[in-house]
Amino acid sequence: DTGVSQNPRHKITKRGQNVTFRCDPISEHNRLYWYRQTLGQGPEFLTYFQNEAQLEKSRLLSDRFSAERPKGSFSTLEIQRTEQGDSAMYLCASSFSGANVLTFGAGSRLTVL
Amino acid sequence: QQQVKQSPQSLIVQKGGISIINCAYENTAFDYFPWYQQFPGKGPALLIAIRPDVSEKKEGRFTISFNKSAKQFSLHIMDSQPGDSATYFCAASKGPGNQFYFGTGTSLTVIP
Repeated sequence: DTGVSQNPRHKITKRGQNVTFRCDPISEHNRLYWYRQTLGQGPEFLTYFQNEAQLEKSRLLSDRFSAERPKGSFSTLEIQRTEQGDSAMYLCASSFSGANVLTFGAGSRLTVL
Repeated sequence: QQQVKQSPQSLIVQKGGISIINCAYENTAFDYFPWYQQFPGKGPALLIAIRPDVSEKKEGRFTISFNKSAKQFSLHIMDSQPGDSATYFCAASKGPGNQFYFGTGTSLTVIP
């Protein structure tokens, strides 16, 4: 297992377009988290899954954002009708439930023009 | 509302010196306080963590000092090396597996 994998690493899109990011967590981990990181800031929590169930969503996750983890393995984060304010690094992390150690992926950087 | 406040924003230290980064929190329900290290182009990686029942934890050159009454904790990097140059984030969470609240980060530069 090579850790948490995120794709694509960088996405450039025009305002109004839809984008989708994929996260493949460490296979034994049943929890998966999405965070957003803007320049000069720490990661901000967006949502997390335990297996396929989405257990918590931040108020940062507007209606234009949707996350899924259909089979409890990989997850996708879709942003519809992108805005320039969506430009950020989207980080995925995974862990065992009941454990405090998060393993982060390298992130997917979104640039909205 | 920033749940965890971190300072300084940036820090420059000579090789061999001590780097100190401070964090403060308000929510007394927090029970786990990790520090993450992030290199450019990489995701954050866990460096060291502490629970509020101890006042200090040391792992190699890295030490966390924890002051429960003041609701503050700090990271000390002894004998700082150029390879330590990175961004450091403190964080806090309440309960295992719950969301983490991160500080705004400290960019550390260690000059050879």
